[in-house]
Amino acid sequence: GAGVSQSPSNKVTEKGKDVELRCDPISGHTALYWYRQSLGQGLEFLIYFQGNSAPDKSGLPSDRFSAERTGGSVSTLTIQRTQQEDSAVYLCASSLGTGLNSNQPQHFGDGTRLSIL
Amino acid sequence: AQKVTQAQTEISVVEKEDVTLDCVYETRDTTYYLFWYKQPPSGELVFLIRRNSFDEQNEISGRYSWNFQKSTSSFNFTITASQVVDSAVYFCALRSFYSTPLVFGKGTRLSVIA
Repeated sequence: GAGVSQSPSNKVTEKGKDVELRCDPISGHTALYWYRQSLGQGLEFLIYFQGNSAPDKSGLPSDRFSAERTGGSVSTLTIQRTQQEDSAVYLCASSLGTGLNSNQPQHFGDGTRLSIL
Repeated sequence: AQKVTQAQTEISVVEKEDVTLDCVYETRDTTYYLFWYKQPPSGELVFLIRRNSFDEQNEISGRYSWNFQKSTSSFNFTITASQVVDSAVYFCALRSFYSTPLVFGKGTRLSVIA
């Protein structure tokens, strides 16, 4: 379909391992966002990309988290040395970003459910 | 600081009843945007509506209606004649004119019983 695509749908890994989560935004959407949804914490913003601008990393919880966006399209969220508290659903969203003040809605993917054993 | 409060954690209604989901927000910005999203059991967040802070006109879309009141910082969502398919978690969210990420409320889980 034409929506935001995330992979894998589910990921189970052992504590201490690194994981990579992928997001393919809606074609033509220049803004891409990562959020995390966990029990008790609700939906938390992680990082935001807009075109070729430097990403807004203000929501990343620790330096074990990083993300990149190649060619202004696909994004990868990497979590190094995973901890049990990293278990959550990681959601990616994209929007027609026309600058900092865009009021366009964000469209979300189905998410990646990450479980750290 | 921005904050969105959805005081109702869970609501259960019988089919065909009307139900209102409350949303109260806090922001110091004079220009901002409010959103409602639906998260059905399948997990995907589905965009329902966006409201600009300078537009207080209420909106109706089928069985859905939204009541935006700046005076009370509220953006409530009403479902008329609820149906089982309305069962989901509903999130209210706020975005500042000066900031990009959405600030979400904790969500309200709505269960519509046949």
